[in-house]
Amino acid sequence: EVQLLESGGGLVQPGGSLRLSCAASGFTFSSHGMSWVRQAPGKGLEWVSVISNDGGNSYYADSVKGRFTVSRDNSENTVYLQMNSLRAEDTAVYYCAKSLYTSIADLDYWGQGTLVTVSS
Amino acid sequence: QSALTQPASVSGSPGQSITISCTGTSSDVGGYNYVSWYQQHPGKAPKLMIYDVTNRPSGVSNRFSGSKSGNTASLTISGLQAEDEADYYCNSYTSSNTRVFGGGTKLTVL
Repeated sequence: EVQLLESGGGLVQPGGSLRLSCAASGFTFSSHGMSWVRQAPGKGLEWVSVISNDGGNSYYADSVKGRFTVSRDNSENTVYLQMNSLRAEDTAVYYCAKSLYTSIADLDYWGQGTLVTVSS
Repeated sequence: QSALTQPASVSGSPGQSITISCTGTSSDVGGYNYVSWYQQHPGKAPKLMIYDVTNRPSGVSNRFSGSKSGNTASLTISGLQAEDEADYYCNSYTSSNTRVFGGGTKLTVL
């Protein structure tokens, strides 16, 4: 059974940093791209980032480019999202999701999400 | 990257069919056969319902179908059931090597 478990969310001040983790199990982690998608309270889904199966390629939404960095550790079956220079508009539930294929693709399994709140 | 355009809401009675549209541009929906649809119930994570425009993942009811014409993709749900009431989001690959979601459509089963 595929499982994705996010952690690392919480309350952070504007300008601060946070690192999210997503522990994966139940599939061959190193064969699939992994994505982050966020959802602000009461709003729709927003695609954030993707990293290819081998970590060699990563892509970002314009809204987070230069501030967020996605990485992965295939030996630990974990994907990370380092978030710097956080803003109030980054407040959202952050989901990690598994790509169907090796890189940027449709997302067939999702975690339950972790809430990030940016506020003073 | 601008969000894809979806109607804010649609509704239908049990047993009826409804269609949700998703309009983009030639740089996303119209340029690639990489459109997916997600169902999200309140407080839950999204669930993949359709991928690569027309494909259904294992376990998804065949009442759900996807199609595309030009820059517009569509999700059709036939034989509406009460449990289909949810938010639906389309998503597309883009020419910038990113993905973009639609604004979401709230489906109400009357």
